[in-house]
Amino acid sequence: DIQMTQSPSSLSASVGDRVTLTCRASQGIGSDLCWYQQKPGKAPKALIYAASKLQSGVPSKFSGSGSGTEFTLTISSLQPEDFATYYCLQYYSYPRTFGQGTKLEL
Amino acid sequence: EVQLVESGGGLVQRGESLRLSCAASGFSINYHWMDWVRQAPGKGLEWVANINHDGSEKYYVGSVKGRFTISRDNARNLLFLQINSLRDEDTAVYYCSTALNNWGQGTLVAVSS
Repeated sequence: DIQMTQSPSSLSASVGDRVTLTCRASQGIGSDLCWYQQKPGKAPKALIYAASKLQSGVPSKFSGSGSGTEFTLTISSLQPEDFATYYCLQYYSYPRTFGQGTKLEL
Repeated sequence: EVQLVESGGGLVQRGESLRLSCAASGFSINYHWMDWVRQAPGKGLEWVANINHDGSEKYYVGSVKGRFTISRDNARNLLFLQINSLRDEDTAVYYCSTALNNWGQGTLVAVSS
């Protein structure tokens, strides 16, 4: 199975900050990576697919990059509603695997 | 409006079985791969299984192979997850999803000894 490792596990930031979250794959996955945002008690929301493509309706403050084994999610100009847990997912092979998540805290 | 609504969760005894359903509305599931993902209390997301458009391809995470069965009824716009031989570690919120894009709100399965 491909292991996905996210760093950091938690991150403290302030409103207005720009932050970068990292996701590393244990083997190359091309660009077959998604990013999700999850708030407490809610379902995950898809943000990014194919490593860098924005899902419909997702604001451009979210951007993704990377390929192979290293990927990043950057969120610019943090707003209160952006504080949540973020997960990466690889869909290069089965089983699909998620990272353990990065909790973005105010 | 695209909507997915899961049902069928509840408190069950270890070793028992359960069938989860996911009802889609606002679109047809005919053309979509469908997935189940679960989340244990306070834990991260775990992909469980998916199924292709006509049900001819199914994939599972190793920990559920032989116990879980994913299926679909395109005519009724429904997705299912049959869960047998429930274990404590199956306790989780189960989400259905269209190819990991749109997600339902989840249904809680709690396994009691």
